[in-house]
Amino acid sequence: ETGVTQSPTHLIKTRGQQVTLRCSSQSGHNTVSWYQQALGQGPQFIFQYYREEENGRGNFPPRFSGLQFPNYSSELNVNALELDDSALYLCASSLVQGSSPLHFGNGTRLTVT
Amino acid sequence: DQQVKQNSPSLSVQEGRISILNCDYTNSMFDYFLWYKKYPAEGPTFLISISSIKDKNEDGRFTVFLNKSAKHLSLHIVPSQPGDSAVYFCAASDGGSGANSKLTFGKGITLSVRP
Repeated sequence: ETGVTQSPTHLIKTRGQQVTLRCSSQSGHNTVSWYQQALGQGPQFIFQYYREEENGRGNFPPRFSGLQFPNYSSELNVNALELDDSALYLCASSLVQGSSPLHFGNGTRLTVT
Repeated sequence: DQQVKQNSPSLSVQEGRISILNCDYTNSMFDYFLWYKKYPAEGPTFLISISSIKDKNEDGRFTVFLNKSAKHLSLHIVPSQPGDSAVYFCAASDGGSGANSKLTFGKGITLSVRP
């Protein structure tokens, strides 16, 4: 069974640039969620995708956007990067049924300078 | 406004003893609670969960207790082992389709188990 994989593991960008982070869901999982974990904080929900459509969104501005592909892989795009976007970005997959827990990837560490 | 609070940032216990990690929440709509464990450079790993219709759930050395009236839950690890040293996150969801993906996390507690 393949777990959740994310790429790249680390990334450095300049303020104002755009970034795309990628995620491959765990085999058999049809829902993907993205979380932002700032230093010293817990993960914060960005949004969730199910059947290639956004299915819930946290308190993040529109410059945070995403995509889910038919093979359940996903992308997180952030436009007009700000210094406060520096964080660990976690992708998680799950089944949309019952109490299926999230399975997280190891994250992408984004640094905005 | 923190809806899930883990007020103690760290805990240190002796190997073999009990570890008790606490978590409080403010949102009455939360109906499902989870604990995740995180090692450095890894993503959080699901540990144990509990539905609001229960007050206790046990899985091996790990037990979660839920006190709905106090909006409080705790994770007990007995006996604690050095490999349990990690950051533990309490998380909650408020139901709905796929709601277990839309989790609200606390800030985490760093547990250190001394040999």
